[in-house]
Amino acid sequence: DAGVIQSPRHEVTEMGQEVTLRCKPISGHDYLFWYRQTMMRGLELLIYFNNNVPIDDSGMPEDRFSAKMPNASFSTLKIQPSEPRDSAVYFCASSFSAYNSPLHFGNGTRLTVT
Amino acid sequence: GQQVMQIPQYQHVQEGEDFTTYCNSSTTLSNIQWYKQRPGGHPVFLIQLVKSGEVKKQKRLTFQFGEAKKNSSLHITATQTTDVGTYFCAGPEVRVQGAQKLVFGQGTRLTINP
Repeated sequence: DAGVIQSPRHEVTEMGQEVTLRCKPISGHDYLFWYRQTMMRGLELLIYFNNNVPIDDSGMPEDRFSAKMPNASFSTLKIQPSEPRDSAVYFCASSFSAYNSPLHFGNGTRLTVT
Repeated sequence: GQQVMQIPQYQHVQEGEDFTTYCNSSTTLSNIQWYKQRPGGHPVFLIQLVKSGEVKKQKRLTFQFGEAKKNSSLHITATQTTDVGTYFCAGPEVRVQGAQKLVFGQGTRLTINP
């Protein structure tokens, strides 16, 4: 199993541009999570899906952020328009459960907004 | 909402010394998970504890779950440079209504002087 696959690994963009982050979860995992990690705020859960349906998006910072999961093997996190304060490492993770099975994290996307 | 607090935030030790990080919750946890994140890497699942008073060992790592299931600890005996990284605990957020999710502590960053 290749694990959770995220792309791109690094993204540098200018303020105001649209950014799309991509994730392929581990096959068979029903849950997919998007996390953001910064020095100041640590690991923050942005949104998670169960069977492709968004369950909890209370962590999404504002309307500029949106996430979709069109099928069991693909999810996107979009930021439009991007701002410098969005600079962070964004992790995708997948699991068999929301809270009592191990989370398998991807390598992350390091986003820099200038 | 529920918080999972970790102490210390940082710990620097000499190689060969022991290391302990503590995790405390404001509410009883059904389970607790521990993750390790190497510098520049992604969080990797280490272990899950479920039972009150449970103790599990992985080589030089010892994990404990408190009797009241509100606290946990990770102890590393005779640290090695490969132990460098940030250690996170994570527990389910208790909700009266709505789906549960995993809440991560702030992490303890371990650095080691060889």
